[in-house]
Amino acid sequence: QKEVEQDPGPLSVPEGAIVSLNCTYSNSAFQYFMWYRQYSRKGPELLMYTYSSGNKEDGRFTAQVDKSSKYISLFIRDSQPSDSATYLCAMGGGSQGNLIFGKGTKLSVKP
Amino acid sequence: ETGVTQTPRHLVMGMTNKKSLKCEQHLGHNAMYWYKQSAKKPLELMFVYSLEERVENNSVPSRFSPECPNSSHLFLHLHTLQPEDSALYLCASSQDLPGTGNTIYFGEGSWLTVV
Repeated sequence: QKEVEQDPGPLSVPEGAIVSLNCTYSNSAFQYFMWYRQYSRKGPELLMYTYSSGNKEDGRFTAQVDKSSKYISLFIRDSQPSDSATYLCAMGGGSQGNLIFGKGTKLSVKP
Repeated sequence: ETGVTQTPRHLVMGMTNKKSLKCEQHLGHNAMYWYKQSAKKPLELMFVYSLEERVENNSVPSRFSPECPNSSHLFLHLHTLQPEDSALYLCASSQDLPGTGNTIYFGEGSWLTVV
C-alpha cells in the first residue's frame, strides 16, 4: 500500500462549482498536512498548512483533516478558471523526516 | 516570486554532455532539496542538504551529482544522462529539515530534456 494515495484526475468542473480534492494515507504518525498548487510549467506553491485534525479556512479554500480515517480534503468554493492547476497533497511528521507527496490531481475549471 | 530561483528554466542536452542546474534561495533557510517530477508520478526526493551537509541521498544514479557550497546555493551536476532522465527538476528550501513541521518552498523548476 502506498503511503499517500491521490486520484490524479483530471477533474473538470464549471465555474462557480464547489470542488473537493482528497488524499488518503496509511502512516498514522503523520502530524502535519499541506496542499500545494502547481500551475502548468511552474513549481508547486504552498496553499494550505494544517496540523493535526480539524478544519482550516483561508478565503475560498478549506483544508480538512480526519486523522481517524487517515483522510484529508481541500475544498474550493466558488471555483474560478484561475484555480485550474494541479493540486498536490503532502504530509509528514513522526519518524518520517521528509514530506511525502501525492501524485497530484489536475483540476480544470471551465468558464 | 517564491524566494527560490532556479536556472536555467529549460535545458536540452545530449546524452554525452555535462551540464549543471543552479538554485539560489533568498529566504535564509538552512535546508535545501532537489526533487524530480515526472508525468503521473509523485515528486521524487533526490537529495537533501542541511547546513551544507548532505543528509539524504535517495538511491540516485551517480550521473546526478549535487553540490552545496553554502546554505544559499545548490547545484545539480548532470553527466551522461539518459532520455528517461527528462523531467522537471525542482529545487526547494525550508527553514530546517521538515521533520518538525517546516514547510518546503519550491522554485519554478528546470525543465530538462535529454536527447
